[in-house]
Amino acid sequence: AQSVTQLDSQVPVFEEAPVELRCNYSSSVSVYLFWYVQYPNQGLQLLLKYLSGSTLVKGINGFEAEFNKSQTSFHLRKPSVHISDTAEYFCAVHTGTASKLTFGTGTRLQVTL
Amino acid sequence: DTGVSQNPRHKITKRGQNVTFRCDPISEHNRLYWYRQTLGQGPEFLTYFQNEAQLEKSRLLSDRFSAERPKGSFSTLEIQRTEQGDSAMYLCASSPPRGGDYNEQFFGPGTRLTVL
Repeated sequence: AQSVTQLDSQVPVFEEAPVELRCNYSSSVSVYLFWYVQYPNQGLQLLLKYLSGSTLVKGINGFEAEFNKSQTSFHLRKPSVHISDTAEYFCAVHTGTASKLTFGTGTRLQVTL
Repeated sequence: DTGVSQNPRHKITKRGQNVTFRCDPISEHNRLYWYRQTLGQGPEFLTYFQNEAQLEKSRLLSDRFSAERPKGSFSTLEIQRTEQGDSAMYLCASSPPRGGDYNEQFFGPGTRLTVL
């Protein structure tokens, strides 16, 4: 079985500052990795995904993430955040052979002026 | 709008009542998933359909929960004899049978259930 750990439940940051949201996973098989964003009272929107190939993945809204197999991590980064990035961010894994996504508990990104 | 749709968006019910939610996946997506998300938590898998076949159910899906996808298109999730602990956001997602998005799940806006 796989699991996901998001180490920070909340991350406060000032507008235009860089941010990193941490994600570590555990799995006995190869995984596919995803970051989703959730705005209040809405569903999940895919930010980016790692399936194979280059370990640096670029997504929407200026976000990127790097897959590190040796550290079993998939941290999300943005060089300069905006107020509109305030939301809940979820890291998730999928093994391909299983049908379900396993999510972390989420990180609340709070961007202030 | 060609995304996943869910109805209703909000449902308030009294304890002990039955409720039913509907999910319409993206056209031609043959795989459909239900998840439950409680406050402050990530979504948790409930069940999975491939076409009309229910292929996997979580232990979270108690006997009071039933899901169907009779014609392989829309799906319903019914909760009988609701309890306050059922209060949550119920999310539906779908995936295509092939192509570059094969391993991606596209989520709907969710149905928020409040049991009084």
